[in-house]
Amino acid sequence: AQKVTQAQTEISVVEKEDVTLDCVYETRDTTYYLFWYKQPPSGELVFLIRRNSFDEQNEISGRYSWNFQKSTSSFNFTITASQVVDSAVYFCALSFIQGAQKLVFGQGTRLTINP
Amino acid sequence: EAQVTQNPRYLITVTGKKLTVTCSQNMNHEYMSWYRQDPGLGLRQIYYSMNVEVTDKGDVPEGYKVSRKEKRNFPLILESPSPNQTSLYFCASRRQGTAYNSPLHFGNGTRLTVT
Repeated sequence: AQKVTQAQTEISVVEKEDVTLDCVYETRDTTYYLFWYKQPPSGELVFLIRRNSFDEQNEISGRYSWNFQKSTSSFNFTITASQVVDSAVYFCALSFIQGAQKLVFGQGTRLTINP
Repeated sequence: EAQVTQNPRYLITVTGKKLTVTCSQNMNHEYMSWYRQDPGLGLRQIYYSMNVEVTDKGDVPEGYKVSRKEKRNFPLILESPSPNQTSLYFCASRRQGTAYNSPLHFGNGTRLTVT
């Protein structure tokens, strides 16, 4: 079965702290893609990153970084020096060849950055 | 501007009163889909369409209908809404082709309340 688990329902930190959002996935496919989406308080879903199963290089974009580890089936997201504007719900999602017509989403993690 | 437009943003209705949520995209995407978002469940796919006149069920299609008469439009129809359809709904689109690696472009969401 294809499944994405975000075990952290809610996280609250003080501004400027680093925070890591966990994502664990299950799939039997050898070829798949992983995604992160951000949902700010305004409600829209914003695409952040896509990573394919053959590329385990970590990626950094400004204060955001992603750690993909196939050995542990994890695709964790770290925000460095968090800011209040990072407050949002973050979703991890999985796409795979057999189920190419949908993304399988995790339950989401609500991140609150307190000033 | 490339976008997916949903209307209305907010809708309050009563049980059994038929309603339609419209979705339109201007990116000439072949693939369109509807998701619903519920607390603790993430996003779940309702229906999807791979092209004009081609639609198929997602994970939670009961109580919903869709149509794809034109490439740009993909309305979601609730013939007889019930309170368990109270949710946040998202329309999304993407290019077809190598579908499983293309990020979805989401609309801004429609918050539906059925009393």
